[in-house]
Amino acid sequence: AQSVSQHNHHVILSEAASLELGCNYSYGGTVNLFWYVQYPGQHLQLLLKYFSGDPLVKGIKGFEAEFIKSKFSFNLRKPSVQWSDTAEYFCAVNTGAAGNKLTFGGGTRVLVKP
Amino acid sequence: EAQVTQNPRYLITVTGKKLTVTCSQNMNHEYMSWYRQDPGLGLRQIYYSMNVEVTDKGDVPEGYKVSRKEKRNFPLILESPSPNQTSLYFCASSLSRASSYNEQFFGPGTRLTVL
Repeated sequence: AQSVSQHNHHVILSEAASLELGCNYSYGGTVNLFWYVQYPGQHLQLLLKYFSGDPLVKGIKGFEAEFIKSKFSFNLRKPSVQWSDTAEYFCAVNTGAAGNKLTFGGGTRVLVKP
Repeated sequence: EAQVTQNPRYLITVTGKKLTVTCSQNMNHEYMSWYRQDPGLGLRQIYYSMNVEVTDKGDVPEGYKVSRKEKRNFPLILESPSPNQTSLYFCASSLSRASSYNEQFFGPGTRLTVL
């Protein structure tokens, strides 16, 4: 079965700092990759997704992620964070099996200090 | 507005008292799913449904039931809740898995506490 690992559970940054969140998955076949964000008290929103093509994917709110197939990684980046980026971030994988199931990582809580 | 709705948003109950959390989507999606979110574990799938009258177990189905009598609704039933089912629950929907675009849309969540 596939699994997803997010290396950092908590990240604390100051505004304008750069952010990079790691995500690795274990699955040898074709995958669809997602990053979701959950702002405090809100539901999950899709930040960006990778299905195929250019491995550097740009999403909303200035986020981007790079798919490195050889490393089974899909790291999320933002060059300059804002206080409003305080949220929990989830990496997720879909392999097309088991009913379109998304397998999520454990999440990374990001706190941006003003 | 395209959305997934859940009710109730917050619920405190006692062990053994049957409850139902409703989920409804207005996007004509075939696929619907329930997840629970626990700290450090991310979201784990409980049950899913590929279409009306078609449901199957996810990763953590024990203690839960679902039904899919109509396309838009996918209620989650806890026949005899226990404290280890205290969690944040999310319903999600998407187009059929046959589609190449299978983004899932999530509801606002239901925070359940079982005493």
